[in-house]
Amino acid sequence: EPEVTQTPSHQVTQMGQEVILRCVPISNHLYFYWYRQILGQKVEFLVSFYNNEISEKSEIFDDQFSVERPDGSNFTLKIRSTKLEDSAMYFCASRAGQVTDTQYFGPGTRLTVL
Amino acid sequence: AQKVTQAQTEISVVEKEDVTLDCVYETRDTTYYLFWYKQPPSGELVFLIRRNSFDEQNEISGRYSWNFQKSTSSFNFTITASQVVDSAVYFCALRSGGYQKVTFGTGTKLQVIP
Repeated sequence: EPEVTQTPSHQVTQMGQEVILRCVPISNHLYFYWYRQILGQKVEFLVSFYNNEISEKSEIFDDQFSVERPDGSNFTLKIRSTKLEDSAMYFCASRAGQVTDTQYFGPGTRLTVL
Repeated sequence: AQKVTQAQTEISVVEKEDVTLDCVYETRDTTYYLFWYKQPPSGELVFLIRRNSFDEQNEISGRYSWNFQKSTSSFNFTITASQVVDSAVYFCALRSGGYQKVTFGTGTKLQVIP
């Protein structure tokens, strides 16, 4: 069964460093998402991406964040200058083209900012 | 705006007991989609079910059943004859027709004691 994959599973970085989290969505899906979950809290929407542009973003997704689909298969989330409060689990998700379709989530990348 | 409330923070049951996880949602849209996801201790988000707002039929899948009631804006999840492997955090989630993002509740942590 096709699934969303994410790398790395765990990333440790120093405050102020740039990180790139990588995702490979399900191959025929058209909509891509990033969510984050601070430890012990709920899952929060960051951004959605369709047709090579951001279609929706939350107030969390400020100028420190950017997304890209560089090569038709990968979908990346870049955090330009990490802060301690960026420590969280980051989930990528993808959805096929129909409005009724479900978002399927990857296994997550745990980001630890020291 | 969309909102999901899971009033039960933690529930403990003894194996083989039935347990119901409550979910109440708010949306102004007439078209919306409701979801349940399971997050086991390993951290991934596992899709369990989607219901569309125009389909109020309840659903049963093995030991799992879902009760969708538009009149009370509720989408409750029952596990029959619970097992230790059911121990996880369960999230109810909502996507309204006009939005890309899925809004999650705060989750209910279920502990099944052998």
